[in-house]
Amino acid sequence: KQEVTQIPAALSVPEGENLVLNCSFTDSAIYNLQWFRQDPGKGLTSLLLIQSSQREQTSGRLNASLDKSSGRSTLYIAASQPGDSATYLCAVDGGSYIPTFGRGTSLIVHP
Amino acid sequence: NAGVTQTPKFQVLKTGQSMTLQCAQDMNHNSMYWYRQDPGMGLRLIYYSASEGTTDKGEVPNGYNVSRLNKREFSLRLESAAPSQTSVYFCASVLTGGELFFGEGSRLTVL
Repeated sequence: KQEVTQIPAALSVPEGENLVLNCSFTDSAIYNLQWFRQDPGKGLTSLLLIQSSQREQTSGRLNASLDKSSGRSTLYIAASQPGDSATYLCAVDGGSYIPTFGRGTSLIVHP
Repeated sequence: NAGVTQTPKFQVLKTGQSMTLQCAQDMNHNSMYWYRQDPGMGLRLIYYSASEGTTDKGEVPNGYNVSRLNKREFSLRLESAAPSQTSVYFCASVLTGGELFFGEGSRLTVL
């Protein structure tokens, strides 16, 4: 059974820092991995989708990498801003029609 | 392009009452999901439908029923609501191997 772990569970950083959020998974046989953002009281918004054949994806200040062999993905946020404060979740699609989610990293960027 | 639409957004029920949460997607996705999200518990899968005409239990199906009415619509029914079903419910959909999209959530309180 696929298990997805996100470390750290919570993170507080000053504005302007570059930061890395981690997502690890136990079964490397995946179709893709997706990063989401969730603001308090809101739904999940897709940030980046990395297919199993890809090593990374970039969108603006966000860069997500995927290393299937080690069962890891990282979400890099450059020059963090208070508006980046949210919970970030990763989800792994192992081809069983059931995505497996991590518990998320709660990020606070303070001015 | 509306994406994934959930109704209602808010609902208050008394114990024992029944209700149906509606979900529709306009992206021609084949798979649809119902999750619940509770503080400290993460996202938990209630039911999913891998394709039109099929439904399967997820991690926490007790007390719920679902109907995949057609390719667009996937409803979640609470036959006799209990306070333990107070939660935020999310519908999601995906085209196999592609990007998972979520609705904005339905906040249910059972008194």
